[in-house]
Amino acid sequence: GAVVSQHPSRVICKSGTSVKIECRSLDFQATTMFWYRQFPKKSLMLMATSNEGSKATYEQGVEKDKFLINHASLTLSTLTVTSAHPEDSSFYICSARGRTEREKLFFGSGTQLSVL
Amino acid sequence: SQQGEEDPQALSIQEGENATMNCSYKTSINNLQWYRQNSGRGLVHLILIRSNEREKHSGRLRVTLDTSKKSSSLLITASRAADTASYFCARGDQAGTALIFGKGTTLSVSS
Repeated sequence: GAVVSQHPSRVICKSGTSVKIECRSLDFQATTMFWYRQFPKKSLMLMATSNEGSKATYEQGVEKDKFLINHASLTLSTLTVTSAHPEDSSFYICSARGRTEREKLFFGSGTQLSVL
Repeated sequence: SQQGEEDPQALSIQEGENATMNCSYKTSINNLQWYRQNSGRGLVHLILIRSNEREKHSGRLRVTLDTSKKSSSLLITASRAADTASYFCARGDQAGTALIFGKGTTLSVSS
Protein backbone atom coordinates (compact mmCIF):
# COMPACT_ATOMS: atom_id res chain seq x y z
CA GLY A 1 0.00 0.00 0.00
CA ALA A 2 0.82 3.72 0.11
CA VAL A 3 1.95 4.06 -3.48
CA VAL A 4 2.60 7.46 -4.98
CA SER A 5 2.84 7.70 -8.73
CA GLN A 6 4.67 10.61 -10.30
CA HIS A 7 5.04 11.31 -13.97
CA PRO A 8 6.63 12.03 -16.22
CA SER A 9 9.84 10.55 -14.90
CA ARG A 10 11.89 12.60 -17.29
CA VAL A 11 11.14 15.61 -19.43
CA ILE A 12 13.24 17.72 -21.73
CA CYS A 13 11.81 21.01 -22.87
CA LYS A 14 12.81 24.22 -24.54
CA SER A 15 13.34 27.38 -22.59
CA GLY A 16 10.13 29.37 -22.25
CA THR A 17 7.75 26.42 -22.28
CA SER A 18 5.68 25.17 -19.36
CA VAL A 19 5.90 21.71 -17.91
CA LYS A 20 3.32 19.94 -15.78
CA ILE A 21 4.25 17.21 -13.34
CA GLU A 22 1.57 14.99 -11.84
CA CYS A 23 1.61 13.28 -8.49
CA ARG A 24 -1.05 10.74 -7.60
CA SER A 25 -1.66 8.71 -4.50
CA LEU A 26 -2.89 5.40 -5.86
CA ASP A 27 -4.25 3.57 -2.86
CA PHE A 28 -4.81 6.18 -0.21
CA GLN A 29 -6.17 9.66 0.21
CA ALA A 30 -3.44 12.22 0.49
CA THR A 31 -4.57 14.96 2.80
CA THR A 32 -1.33 16.82 2.24
CA MET A 33 1.20 16.73 -0.54
CA PHE A 34 4.66 18.20 -0.53
CA TRP A 35 6.86 19.16 -3.42
CA TYR A 36 10.61 18.99 -3.08
CA ARG A 37 13.42 19.94 -5.38
CA GLN A 38 16.76 18.20 -5.41
CA PHE A 39 20.02 19.25 -7.04
CA PRO A 40 22.67 16.66 -7.92
CA LYS A 41 24.17 15.06 -4.82
CA LYS A 42 22.23 17.43 -2.60
CA SER A 43 19.45 17.16 -0.13
CA LEU A 44 15.78 17.74 -0.77
CA MET A 45 14.62 21.31 -0.51
CA LEU A 46 10.98 21.78 0.36
CA MET A 47 9.26 23.97 -2.20
CA ALA A 48 5.64 23.98 -1.10
CA THR A 49 2.95 22.25 0.88
CA SER A 50 -0.47 21.72 -0.57
CA ASN A 51 -3.68 20.63 1.09
CA GLU A 52 -6.59 19.40 -0.93
CA GLY A 53 -8.89 22.20 -1.95
CA SER A 54 -6.78 25.04 -0.63
CA LYS A 55 -3.94 27.16 -1.93
CA ALA A 56 -0.42 25.86 -1.60
CA THR A 57 1.91 27.28 0.99
CA TYR A 58 5.25 28.12 -0.55
CA GLU A 59 8.60 28.17 1.18
CA GLN A 60 10.59 31.36 1.29
CA GLY A 61 12.37 32.03 -1.95
CA VAL A 62 10.07 29.86 -4.09
CA GLU A 63 8.20 31.87 -6.71
CA LYS A 64 4.48 31.18 -6.62
CA ASP A 65 3.95 32.34 -10.18
CA LYS A 66 6.81 30.24 -11.40
CA PHE A 67 5.84 27.01 -9.71
CA LEU A 68 2.09 26.59 -9.83
CA ILE A 69 0.72 23.92 -7.55
CA ASN A 70 -2.78 22.56 -7.74
CA HIS A 71 -4.20 19.99 -5.34
CA ALA A 72 -7.56 19.44 -6.91
CA SER A 73 -8.46 16.18 -5.21
CA LEU A 74 -7.35 13.91 -2.41
CA THR A 75 -5.38 11.82 -4.86
CA LEU A 76 -3.86 14.32 -7.26
CA SER A 77 -1.50 17.24 -7.05
CA THR A 78 0.22 18.91 -9.97
CA LEU A 79 3.26 21.13 -10.22
CA THR A 80 3.54 23.32 -13.28
CA VAL A 81 6.85 24.95 -14.00
CA THR A 82 5.90 27.98 -16.04
CA SER A 83 8.15 29.59 -18.62
CA ALA A 84 10.92 27.19 -17.74
CA HIS A 85 14.54 28.29 -17.93
CA PRO A 86 17.75 26.28 -17.75
CA GLU A 87 18.17 27.17 -14.08
CA ASP A 88 14.89 25.34 -13.39
CA SER A 89 16.54 22.10 -14.47
CA SER A 90 16.43 19.85 -11.46
CA PHE A 91 14.95 16.71 -9.95
CA TYR A 92 11.46 17.33 -8.58
CA ILE A 93 9.93 14.91 -6.11
CA CYS A 94 6.45 14.86 -4.70
CA SER A 95 5.42 13.22 -1.49
CA ALA A 96 2.13 12.56 0.17
CA ARG A 97 0.80 12.10 3.64
CA GLY A 98 -2.32 10.08 4.30
CA ARG A 99 -4.93 10.06 7.02
CA THR A 100 -3.17 7.24 8.83
CA GLU A 101 0.57 7.00 9.60
CA ARG A 102 0.58 10.76 9.45
CA GLU A 103 4.21 11.12 10.43
CA LYS A 104 5.52 9.29 7.37
CA LEU A 105 5.81 10.58 3.87
CA PHE A 106 5.37 8.44 0.78
CA PHE A 107 7.34 9.60 -2.22
CA GLY A 108 6.86 9.56 -5.92
CA SER A 109 9.75 8.38 -8.07
CA GLY A 110 10.69 11.88 -9.11
CA THR A 111 10.84 13.87 -12.34
CA GLN A 112 14.10 14.92 -13.92
CA LEU A 113 13.49 18.20 -15.71
CA SER A 114 16.02 19.39 -18.25
CA VAL A 115 15.44 22.80 -19.82
CA LEU A 116 17.45 23.51 -22.94
CA SER B 1 19.61 26.53 7.83
CA GLN B 2 16.68 24.27 8.54
CA GLN B 3 18.65 21.26 7.55
CA GLY B 4 20.62 19.05 9.81
CA GLU B 5 23.97 17.66 9.03
CA GLU B 6 24.86 14.11 8.21
CA ASP B 7 28.23 12.51 8.26
CA PRO B 8 30.01 11.12 6.60
CA GLN B 9 28.96 12.61 3.27
CA ALA B 10 30.21 9.46 1.56
CA LEU B 11 31.01 6.00 2.84
CA SER B 12 32.55 3.08 0.97
CA ILE B 13 32.63 -0.36 2.52
CA GLN B 14 32.85 -4.01 1.58
CA GLU B 15 29.94 -6.40 1.66
CA GLY B 16 29.46 -7.88 5.07
CA GLU B 17 30.78 -4.86 6.92
CA ASN B 18 28.62 -2.58 9.01
CA ALA B 19 27.82 0.95 7.91
CA THR B 20 27.16 3.74 10.38
CA MET B 21 25.75 7.09 9.40
CA ASN B 22 25.17 10.00 11.73
CA CYS B 23 22.71 12.84 11.69
CA SER B 24 22.59 16.00 13.77
CA TYR B 25 19.82 18.52 13.98
CA LYS B 26 19.35 21.92 15.49
CA THR B 27 15.82 22.24 16.83
CA SER B 28 13.55 20.07 18.94
CA ILE B 29 11.80 17.22 17.22
CA ASN B 30 8.73 15.08 17.52
CA ASN B 31 10.41 12.27 15.62
CA LEU B 32 13.43 11.51 13.46
CA GLN B 33 13.09 9.48 10.31
CA TRP B 34 15.51 7.81 7.96
CA TYR B 35 14.93 7.44 4.25
CA ARG B 36 16.79 5.75 1.46
CA GLN B 37 17.13 7.01 -2.10
CA ASN B 38 18.45 5.01 -5.00
CA SER B 39 20.07 7.13 -7.68
CA GLY B 40 17.53 9.15 -9.65
CA ARG B 41 14.60 7.77 -7.71
CA GLY B 42 12.22 8.80 -4.97
CA LEU B 43 12.74 8.19 -1.31
CA VAL B 44 11.69 5.14 0.63
CA HIS B 45 10.87 5.32 4.32
CA LEU B 46 13.11 3.09 6.42
CA ILE B 47 12.45 3.74 10.05
CA LEU B 48 10.98 6.30 12.43
CA ILE B 49 12.11 6.93 15.98
CA ARG B 50 10.18 9.16 18.32
CA SER B 51 11.70 11.73 20.60
CA ASN B 52 10.96 9.60 23.67
CA GLU B 53 12.69 6.56 22.20
CA ARG B 54 16.40 5.86 22.34
CA GLU B 55 16.83 2.91 20.03
CA LYS B 56 14.86 1.09 17.40
CA HIS B 57 15.48 -1.93 15.21
CA SER B 58 14.11 -3.05 11.88
CA GLY B 59 15.75 -6.05 10.28
CA ARG B 60 19.40 -5.13 9.66
CA LEU B 61 18.76 -1.52 10.60
CA ARG B 62 19.39 -0.04 14.01
CA VAL B 63 18.64 3.58 14.77
CA THR B 64 19.61 5.45 17.90
CA LEU B 65 18.49 8.86 19.06
CA ASP B 66 20.15 11.14 21.57
CA THR B 67 17.94 14.15 22.08
CA SER B 68 20.38 15.76 24.51
CA LYS B 69 22.99 15.85 21.75
CA LYS B 70 20.41 16.37 19.03
CA SER B 71 21.83 13.49 17.07
CA SER B 72 20.84 10.18 15.58
CA SER B 73 22.68 7.31 13.98
CA LEU B 74 21.70 4.66 11.48
CA LEU B 75 23.55 1.38 11.54
CA ILE B 76 23.22 -1.11 8.71
CA THR B 77 24.64 -4.45 9.71
CA ALA B 78 26.08 -7.05 7.34
CA SER B 79 25.78 -4.71 4.39
CA ARG B 80 25.02 -5.92 0.89
CA ALA B 81 25.74 -4.46 -2.51
CA ALA B 82 22.01 -3.75 -2.78
CA ASP B 83 22.32 -1.34 0.16
CA THR B 84 24.20 1.05 -2.10
CA ALA B 85 22.15 4.24 -2.04
CA SER B 86 21.91 7.64 -0.40
CA TYR B 87 20.51 7.78 3.10
CA PHE B 88 18.79 10.83 4.52
CA CYS B 89 17.60 11.68 7.96
CA ALA B 90 14.52 13.84 8.27
CA ARG B 91 13.32 15.86 11.20
CA GLY B 92 9.64 15.54 11.96
CA ASP B 93 8.12 18.31 14.04
CA GLN B 94 4.58 17.08 14.33
CA ALA B 95 2.12 15.17 12.26
CA GLY B 96 0.97 17.23 9.33
CA THR B 97 4.05 19.34 8.77
CA ALA B 98 6.70 18.78 6.14
CA LEU B 99 9.83 16.82 6.85
CA ILE B 100 13.11 18.67 6.79
CA PHE B 101 15.88 16.57 5.32
CA GLY B 102 19.56 16.43 6.05
CA LYS B 103 22.19 16.44 3.33
CA GLY B 104 22.48 12.70 3.18
CA THR B 105 25.18 10.07 3.21
CA THR B 106 26.05 8.26 0.01
CA LEU B 107 26.83 4.64 0.80
CA SER B 108 28.69 2.41 -1.63
CA VAL B 109 28.91 -1.27 -0.83
CA SER B 110 31.23 -3.26 -3.03
CA SER B 111 31.09 -7.00 -3.43
